[in-house]
Amino acid sequence: NAGVTQTPKFRILKIGQSMTLQCTQDMNHNYMYWYRQDPGMGLKLIYYSVGAGITDKGEVPNGYNVSRSTTEDFPLRLELAAPSQTSVYFCASSYQEDGTEAFFGQGTRLTVV
Amino acid sequence: RKEVEQDPGPFNVPEGATVAFNCTYSNSASQSFFWYRQDCRKEPKLLMSVYSSGNEDGRFTAQLNRASQYISLLIRDSKLSDSATYLCVVRATNAGKSTFGDGTTLTVKP
Repeated sequence: NAGVTQTPKFRILKIGQSMTLQCTQDMNHNYMYWYRQDPGMGLKLIYYSVGAGITDKGEVPNGYNVSRSTTEDFPLRLELAAPSQTSVYFCASSYQEDGTEAFFGQGTRLTVV
Repeated sequence: RKEVEQDPGPFNVPEGATVAFNCTYSNSASQSFFWYRQDCRKEPKLLMSVYSSGNEDGRFTAQLNRASQYISLLIRDSKLSDSATYLCVVRATNAGKSTFGDGTTLTVKP
């Protein structure tokens, strides 16, 4: 029962470096999301996707990019990492219909130094 | 004003106590409401959905008041294992985007 799998679990980046956070789900969910969570705060939506080939910006998209070439995968790309991107990143997926539960990955703790 | 606002907390209660959390939302088009539980350094997990008629799951009761735009979570007979952060989540009808509150931290003490 894999559910939503994120890699890596931890990463330290230097300012200006780039990286891709991987997210894959095996539940055949249409919707996928990327959130960031800063200490003591709730989750803020970065990007989301309603299906393969379709992505849209969330609340805090600046500094990030996403792609959705398959139903299963939704990678998040950080270009030119900045200290402000130090956070915990969660990927989630859900069925299309309203009122359905979102399942989360275990998170990626990213530190930019 | 934030789209979803929760009681600031933290709540520190003894075992066996009853505790209630409130959450207000600003988007009147919101249609789906949830309470998630998040343990320290873990991912959020669904605690319960909130239905218009209210719903109960064991010691947990969730209520929705659309007129006043708030939802509540009541925990009866608190257990040590209830210690966590409780996140209020509101979803509008379009595209399934969810907005999270900042969470309310509950600590249940012996």
